Amino acid sequence: EIVMTQSPATLSVSPGERATLSCRASQSVSSNVAWYQQKPGQAPRLLIYGASTRATGIPARFSGSGSGTEFSLTISSLQSEDSAIYYCQQYYNWPPYTFGQGTNLEIK
Amino acid sequence: EVQLLESGGGLVQPGGSLRLSCAASGFTFSSSAMSWVRQAPGKGLEWVSIIGTRTGNTYNADSVKGRFTISRDNSKNTLYLQMNSLRAEDTAMYYCAKAEGYCSGGTCYRYFDPWGQGTLVTVSS
Repeated sequence: EIVMTQSPATLSVSPGERATLSCRASQSVSSNVAWYQQKPGQAPRLLIYGASTRATGIPARFSGSGSGTEFSLTISSLQSEDSAIYYCQQYYNWPPYTFGQGTNLEIK
Repeated sequence: EVQLLESGGGLVQPGGSLRLSCAASGFTFSSSAMSWVRQAPGKGLEWVSIIGTRTGNTYNADSVKGRFTISRDNSKNTLYLQMNSLRAEDTAMYYCAKAEGYCSGGTCYRYFDPWGQGTLVTVSS
């Protein structure tokens, strides 16, 4: 089973600044990584798939990068509504599909 | 607009059974792989089960293998999760999700989009 490890667990950033969230896979997953955003009381929403492709309707301030075992999600020019938990997921070696434990992004 | 609406959650005693449903609309359900993902209270996401377009293609997480069965009724545009021998650790919000992605070399690579709003399952005496 591939383990996805996210860092940091919590990130506090001021509005207008940039946030970079990291995700490391325990073995290569090629570019088969997705990122999700989950706000309190809501279902997860797909942000990024294929490590770097934005899902439909996702603002351009969200970008993903990486391949192999190291991945990142960058949110430029943070807005208050970006406060959420962000999860990465690998879909290269399955079953099982596995998720990271999440990064809690707080907007100061 | 793609919509997924889960139902069937509730309170059940340990060892009991429950069947979850997910009504789909806004897309060609019969042509889409579908999945269940759960989230225990205050915890992260855990993939549970996936079913391909043909009902024979199913896979489950080890934590539910032999207890949970995923199925679909393409005539009703509905996905199901039959949960037997429920345990306290199965307590979670259960989300259904459309499985997107691509297939290559006989293997399909799936991420999940969109997700339903979830249905809460509580296993407690």
